[in-house]
Amino acid sequence: DTGVSQDPRHKITKRGQNVTFRCDPISEHNRLYWYRQTLGQGPEFLTYFQNEAQLEKSRLLSDRFSAERPKGSFSTLEIQRTEQGDSAMYLCASSPDNRDRVSYEQYFGPGTRLTVT
Amino acid sequence: GEDVEQSLFLSVREGDSSVINCTYTDSSSTYLYWYKQEPGAGLQLLTYIFSNMDMKQDQRLTVLLNKKDKHLSLRIADTQTGDSAIYFCAESKGTYKYIFGTGTRLKVLA
Repeated sequence: DTGVSQDPRHKITKRGQNVTFRCDPISEHNRLYWYRQTLGQGPEFLTYFQNEAQLEKSRLLSDRFSAERPKGSFSTLEIQRTEQGDSAMYLCASSPDNRDRVSYEQYFGPGTRLTVT
Repeated sequence: GEDVEQSLFLSVREGDSSVINCTYTDSSSTYLYWYKQEPGAGLQLLTYIFSNMDMKQDQRLTVLLNKKDKHLSLRIADTQTGDSAIYFCAESKGTYKYIFGTGTRLKVLA
């Protein structure tokens, strides 16, 4: 399977605990994105990497959230001191950085569903 | 501001056509996308249209764009039960940042 993969698929944690999610993009995709999706809503942009550089962070990404992409391949999203409001599906997407292309279609992984109790 | 709106539900009979609508507010959007999400799964890109196009057809899918009214639609011909899912439209300005709608839940009745 050469699509975007995410791990774990489900995570249940107690309030106040830290959690870390991993995303493996499609190989050779330079761009990587994190989104959050709550029930009944569309995905909301959290942050974006081009290679290892984090180029934008949404205001939704509080200081309890940190994302890294240390070698420009896989990425991790960590949430510290989780709150019940953090319960959501966390989606990762990737896209190629091909300057010949005019569109920026993003390919999504299956998501990590976080439940904070 | 940036806002993308969709109706929440659509129900059609198998074999009929489905039309899912989307309106957006940002006139500078350059690309508009349709994604499909099945239960427990991520989003699957169905098709996209560039803002200088009025229509795009891809097998059973037809996308219509009315830029003046900022209205986008997705028509699915000969709708099948496997088409039951949530459909999201999204806009971007040709950069990385997508703004998604709230999604339309399509239910196909056998």
